[in-house]
Amino acid sequence: AQSVTQLGSHVSVSEGALVLLRCNYSSSVPPYLFWYVQYPNQGLQLLLKYTSAATLVKGINGFEAEFKKSETSFHLTKPSAHMSDAAEYFCAVSGGNYQLIWGAGTKLIIKP
Amino acid sequence: EAGVAQSPRYKIIEKRQSVAFWCNPISGHATLYWYQQILGQGPKLLIQFQNNGVVDDSQLPKDRFSAERLKGVDSTLKIQPAKLEDSAVYLCASSLNQERTDTQYFGPGTRLTVL
Repeated sequence: AQSVTQLGSHVSVSEGALVLLRCNYSSSVPPYLFWYVQYPNQGLQLLLKYTSAATLVKGINGFEAEFKKSETSFHLTKPSAHMSDAAEYFCAVSGGNYQLIWGAGTKLIIKP
Repeated sequence: EAGVAQSPRYKIIEKRQSVAFWCNPISGHATLYWYQQILGQGPKLLIQFQNNGVVDDSQLPKDRFSAERLKGVDSTLKIQPAKLEDSAVYLCASSLNQERTDTQYFGPGTRLTVL
């Protein structure tokens, strides 16, 4: 079975500071992992995905994530936060039945 | 390329009424998903179609929810009768196929409020 845990329902950082959103997973099959972003009143948009190629994955808007098998983690980072990054971020793992198993989400708050 | 379209964007109904949501996926996408997203939670898959066949509807409350995808393109999700706990955002997504690495593309969602 697959599951995803996102640590912290809310994360607050200052503009220009490092963004770190945590995601840990469990999977009974080799995992494929996704980060999606949801802006207010919008659908989800893919930020990046890990599909067993490079362990460091670069996505849109300056975000990247590193797959660490030993830690069962896929944390999302961005070196310098911008006000426009304020949104909710979801981590998901692709299950053996081709469906996405979603975390509960982390709301990113950017302080000016 | 046009994205996933959904309508309506917002709907307010009273409990025990019925409601329907419509989704038009990205052209050429074989797989279509309906999700329910309750405030503060991740999306919950309700039903998955591959072309016009149902792949998984194990989490669809079939006593009140129904969905169809005619001709393997557009889809409708219906709730009848609605309950207070159905208040949520209903998201439609599509993907090229149902490979584990396929990206799911989401529509803007329909926010349902049941009073």
